[in-house]
Amino acid sequence: DIQMTQSPSSLSASVGDRVTVTCRASQTISSYLNWYQQRPGKAPNFLIYAASTLQTGVPSRFSGSGSGTDFTLTITSLQPEDFATYYCQQSYSIPWTFGQGTKVEI
Amino acid sequence: QLQLEESGPGLVKPSETLSLTCTVSGGSISSLTHYWGWIRQAPGTGLEWIGSIYYTGSTNYNSSLKSRVTISVDTSKNQFSLKLTSVTAADSAVYFCARRVDLGGSLKFFDNWGQGALVTVSS
Repeated sequence: DIQMTQSPSSLSASVGDRVTVTCRASQTISSYLNWYQQRPGKAPNFLIYAASTLQTGVPSRFSGSGSGTDFTLTITSLQPEDFATYYCQQSYSIPWTFGQGTKVEI
Repeated sequence: QLQLEESGPGLVKPSETLSLTCTVSGGSISSLTHYWGWIRQAPGTGLEWIGSIYYTGSTNYNSSLKSRVTISVDTSKNQFSLKLTSVTAADSAVYFCARRVDLGGSLKFFDNWGQGALVTVSS
């Protein structure tokens, strides 16, 4: 199975900050990397696919980059509604696996 | 607007079978470009993909659960279901159903999720 490792596990930030979350795959996954946001008690919300393509309706302050084994999610100008946990997920091979999550806290 | 809703018992006894159903509304489960999946999240932990099904009945399962999992589809009811046998406390989790988009090759993602159903395994 491909292991996905996110860093940091949590971070503290303020409204208006620029935030970067890193995701590393245990083997190359090309650009088959997705990002999700999960607010407490809610279902995950799909943000980005193919490492850098924003889902329709996702604010442009979110961006993704990377390929191979190393990927990043960046949020420019953090907004109050962005405080949540973010998960990466690889779709390169079954079983599809998620990172352990990065909690973005105030 | 597509909506998914999980239903089923919230409490299951150890060694018994967990059964959940996902009802899809606002769209057809017989879509040619979508699969339907189950993902779970144990308390305070991350997400684990359980398996997926196409409207034809074709399935993919996580090998870690494959011997205990069955996912089925009922196109007449626009529903798909999960059965997990021989459950233990480790199977206690929030179970999400979700729609999987397939854009070709390995370009796949879960774009619509149900709100989740908490299942506790306890005697």
